[in-house]
Amino acid sequence: QVQLVQSGAEVKKPGASVKISCRASGYTFTTYPLHWVRQAPGQRLEWMGRINIGNGNTHYSEKLQDRVTITRDTSATTAYVDLSSVGSEDTAMYYCARFNTFGGVVRGGLLDYWGQGTLVTVSS
Amino acid sequence: SYELTQPPSVSVTPGQTASITCSGDNLGDKYVSWYQQKPGQSPLLVIYQDIKRPSGIPERFSGTNSGNTATLTISGTQAMDEADYYCQTWDNNAVLFGSGTKLTVL
Repeated sequence: QVQLVQSGAEVKKPGASVKISCRASGYTFTTYPLHWVRQAPGQRLEWMGRINIGNGNTHYSEKLQDRVTITRDTSATTAYVDLSSVGSEDTAMYYCARFNTFGGVVRGGLLDYWGQGTLVTVSS
Repeated sequence: SYELTQPPSVSVTPGQTASITCSGDNLGDKYVSWYQQKPGQSPLLVIYQDIKRPSGIPERFSGTNSGNTATLTISGTQAMDEADYYCQTWDNNAVLFGSGTKLTVL
């Protein structure tokens, strides 16, 4: 079965960087893009960016594009999100999710499997 | 930038029909998905491409999308359906989520 397993909780000081991993199993890793989504306490889901696993191409949200980097290791079937210069506003649950179009157009795509989430707390 | 607006809260009594709306300019020209999120859990896809249900999602969940509004309908709502619901679309090469609606089953 499809599984996305994320790394454990992180506590960071303001100005530091944080890197979270997402290990995929149960499907052909290179077939589906992976997206990263975060959710601050009591807030809506916020899209951060995505990576096309096959060619490594990335696209980031305008809000975070200067601080976020998404990478992947195909041999380890793992994707990573790296967020730099964190502040209190980055305290959130971070999720990876698989993007699927069911063979259709990208604009009809959806996030069909999600990781369990990684809590990042930024505190001095 | 494009925005998706949802009502902050919707209440329903058990067995009745709950409707949760998602509004955006010409949203009917885009595809919409819906996610259910219970406290402490990851989001779960319940509707995709406006009207389709993933395997394992009960038939009481359905969706429509026309004009400026997409609607998630839960028929015969059960206590287990109490959760936050988010609509999602694709815009400007990015995923976009709605503001979220808390469904309370009274």
